[in-house]
Amino acid sequence: GQNIDQPTEMTATEGAIVQINCTYQTSGFNGLFWYQQHAGEAPTFLSYNVLDGLEEKGRFSSFLSRSKGYSYLLLKELQMKDSASYLCAVRDGDYKLSFGAGTTVTVRA
Amino acid sequence: ETGVTQTPRHLVMGMTNKKSLKCEQHLGHNAMYWYKQSAKKPLELMFVYSLEERVENNSVPSRFSPECPNSSHLFLHLHTLQPEDSALYLCASSQVIGEGSETQYFGPGTRLLVL
Repeated sequence: GQNIDQPTEMTATEGAIVQINCTYQTSGFNGLFWYQQHAGEAPTFLSYNVLDGLEEKGRFSSFLSRSKGYSYLLLKELQMKDSASYLCAVRDGDYKLSFGAGTTVTVRA
Repeated sequence: ETGVTQTPRHLVMGMTNKKSLKCEQHLGHNAMYWYKQSAKKPLELMFVYSLEERVENNSVPSRFSPECPNSSHLFLHLHTLQPEDSALYLCASSQVIGEGSETQYFGPGTRLLVL
């Protein structure tokens, strides 16, 4: 089966940096996605990595190491609106995304 | 993001009821998905339709029946559900190119409560 692990909860202060780690063991690998989900809302796409390295998109960056089965999402200059659940998902075939349980990030003033 | 819409947003039903969830995508995609999201658990893929053909059925009980009449619409027909089926049901769509699928975009979900 697929195994995708990420921390359950993280708390950080407004303006700070938070790094959410994700480790995976899957039968195949065809890309890793990060989604943001506010309570009661749809998951929204944040980033996609298929090759090793860092992808930067504004305040958010995502890193992938395929040999280590490891990714992280880096959130910089945290804002209150960044309080949400962050989902790590691995595509292991043509269509299927396997998700982690999500990391709830709470930003404090 | 209003590219994928779902109705109803909330649904309460008894175990003997029949109801349907509807999903519509306005992104020109050709693949659509149903996911189940239970509290504190990972999203679980239920069904995948690509080019209006079902390509994935993840051992979902027969009380859930999907229908994809065209590439823009997806339904989930519900019949004789159990209380443990209470969850958020999410629809997603993506573009399929060649052998693979691009990024999936999600609808807001239907919050289902089975009494």
